[in-house]
Amino acid sequence: EVQLVESGGGLVQSGGSLRLSCAASGFPFSSQSMNWVRQAPGKGLEWVSYISSSSSTIYYADSVKGRFTISRDNAKNSLYLQMNSLRAEDTAVYYCARPDSGTWRYFDYWGQGTLVTVSS
Amino acid sequence: LVLTQSPSASASLGASVKLTCTLSSGHSSYAIAWHQQQPEKGPRYLMKVNSDGSHSKGDGIPDRFSGSSSGAERYLTISSLQSEDEADYYCQTWGTGMGVFGGGTKLTVL
Repeated sequence: EVQLVESGGGLVQSGGSLRLSCAASGFPFSSQSMNWVRQAPGKGLEWVSYISSSSSTIYYADSVKGRFTISRDNAKNSLYLQMNSLRAEDTAVYYCARPDSGTWRYFDYWGQGTLVTVSS
Repeated sequence: LVLTQSPSASASLGASVKLTCTLSSGHSSYAIAWHQQQPEKGPRYLMKVNSDGSHSKGDGIPDRFSGSSSGAERYLTISSLQSEDEADYYCQTWGTGMGVFGGGTKLTVL
């Protein structure tokens, strides 16, 4: 069974930093690209970042570019999101999402999310 | 690349409803994925819908859920509506170096 479990969320002051983790199991993590997606309170889903299986290809949404860093440790089956210079508008539930193994484009498994609250 | 969804939809218990996701101009060949988000829960993948109308569902998705296409429009049809189908529904695809979501449709089951 595919499982994605996020952790590391919490309350942080504006300008602060936080590191999110996503523990993956039930599939060959090292051969799968991964994504982070977020959802601000009462809002829709927003894609945040993508990392390929070998970390050779990384993409970011313009809203987080230069402040967030995605990474992974295939030996630990873990995905990370280092968030620096946090702003109030980064307040959201953050989900890790696995894309399908065929095209890498469509998210076929989601975690339960971890809440990040940035206080101003 | 923009995905457009109506903000809300409603239908009666036991009836059918068809939700629409429209791809922006020049992207009518793109496939999309549908995701369901029940209140206070994380999203769940429902299916991928191709431009030719074929679709492939996620694990455990009931037969009541189906997908189809017409031109730049991608559809999600839910038949025999149940109370637990009341949720937000998002379409999603992939552009050049970025994921793209529609704004979501809030489905109310009357």
